[in-house]
Amino acid sequence: GQSLEQPSEVTAVEGAIVQINCTYQTSGFYGLSWYQQHDGGAPTFLSYNGLDGLEETGRFSSFLSRSDSYGYLLLQELQMKDSASYFCAPGPAGNNRKLIWGLGTSLAVNP
Amino acid sequence: EAEVAQSPRYKITEKSQAVAFWCDPISGHATLYWYRQILGQGPELLVQFQDESVVDDSQLPKDRFSAERLKGVDSTLKIQPAELGDSAMYLCASSPGLAAETQYFGPGTRLLVL
Repeated sequence: GQSLEQPSEVTAVEGAIVQINCTYQTSGFYGLSWYQQHDGGAPTFLSYNGLDGLEETGRFSSFLSRSDSYGYLLLQELQMKDSASYFCAPGPAGNNRKLIWGLGTSLAVNP
Repeated sequence: EAEVAQSPRYKITEKSQAVAFWCDPISGHATLYWYRQILGQGPELLVQFQDESVVDDSQLPKDRFSAERLKGVDSTLKIQPAELGDSAMYLCASSPGLAAETQYFGPGTRLLVL
């Protein structure tokens, strides 16, 4: 079967660092994507890990451990505008390589 | 910067009526996705096209939903008849080739069925 787990809510303050964890189980696996979605908006692509290790993009970093079926998104120097939902989306193997979407993590950044 | 276009942005309809949503993906993107997202949940894939061909419609309620991408460019998603439970955000996304990990989403169509 397939499963995906990430915390439902995370709260942090401006300037802090927050880590959103993601564990998954899929029938085959090729990589882990992360998306951000503000209330009322559409998801936007943040990061992708196809290999183990850390990918850094500005204030955001994403990590993947394929052997542990685990990844995380690290957000540094938090800003109010980072308040949003964050989705980890593993991509199972297969001809169409579609992503699996869970409920996401709602991040609230407080002053 | 190229964007995915969707219309309308908002649609209010009565149950049993027909509704249609339109999506124009980023130029050159072969893969097009239609998702439905209920408030507080993640996107649910309804249908995936590769060029003009459907590659996955396993979650599409085919008794009332239909989708087409006749020339492999823009796409239309139709619901007939609409039901109260169809109220949701309908998102269109596109990606180059088969690479599903990076998807570019349009602004979505928010549907309210009364």
